[in-house]
Amino acid sequence: EAGVAQSPRYKIIEKRQSVAFWCNPISGHATLYWYQQILGQGPKLLIQFQNNGVVDDSQLPKDRFSAERLKGVDSTLKIQPAKLEDSAVYLCASSQGKYNEQFFGPGTRLTVL
Amino acid sequence: AQKITQTQPGMFVQEKEAVTLDCTYDTSDPSYGLFWYKQPSSGEMIFLIYQGSYDQQNATEGRYSLNFQKARKSANLVISASQLGDSAMYFCAMREAVYNQGGKLIFGQGTELSVKP
Repeated sequence: EAGVAQSPRYKIIEKRQSVAFWCNPISGHATLYWYQQILGQGPKLLIQFQNNGVVDDSQLPKDRFSAERLKGVDSTLKIQPAKLEDSAVYLCASSQGKYNEQFFGPGTRLTVL
Repeated sequence: AQKITQTQPGMFVQEKEAVTLDCTYDTSDPSYGLFWYKQPSSGEMIFLIYQGSYDQQNATEGRYSLNFQKARKSANLVISASQLGDSAMYFCAMREAVYNQGGKLIFGQGTELSVKP
């Protein structure tokens, strides 16, 4: 079974530029999560989708971050414009199972200069 | 508010010995789940073990076991017979309302484990 796919793996941009990340969850997983992991910290949820609807986006900085999950499968996370403090690893996870185990992708490491 | 605390920023263990990574949690929800993840230097989060708040027995998965003490709100991870490949960051996480589908994970700060040969 294929895991959660993310691209790109690495991205370097300058502040005020825009960037987008892509996630393809495990087939059949209805729930998709985007987490932000700043260096030296645990991941923090940015947004959670159930199919193509948003369940929780309470910690998403909506003035600069946006996310969508068209057709309830793939998802994109966008930052526009980026700030220095957005430098982090962005992890995508999906779940669909008895114990709601979340499977994580390899992450996208973003560096904002 | 729900919270996860890992008080050990770093731990060392000798190869083949056992090690315990501490985790305490705080929640007012009677229904919750506790998870441990391993994050190697490559960055992916690898699920290790799960404990439900209503589970009567401590969870075990191979060399991993979870020492669940509900009254003390602790969920320590025990790794037996440590291997060099166990060197990584370890995160404890909690989710409330575990029996509903979905639900965000709240992560601790992590513990960096180093296994010495």
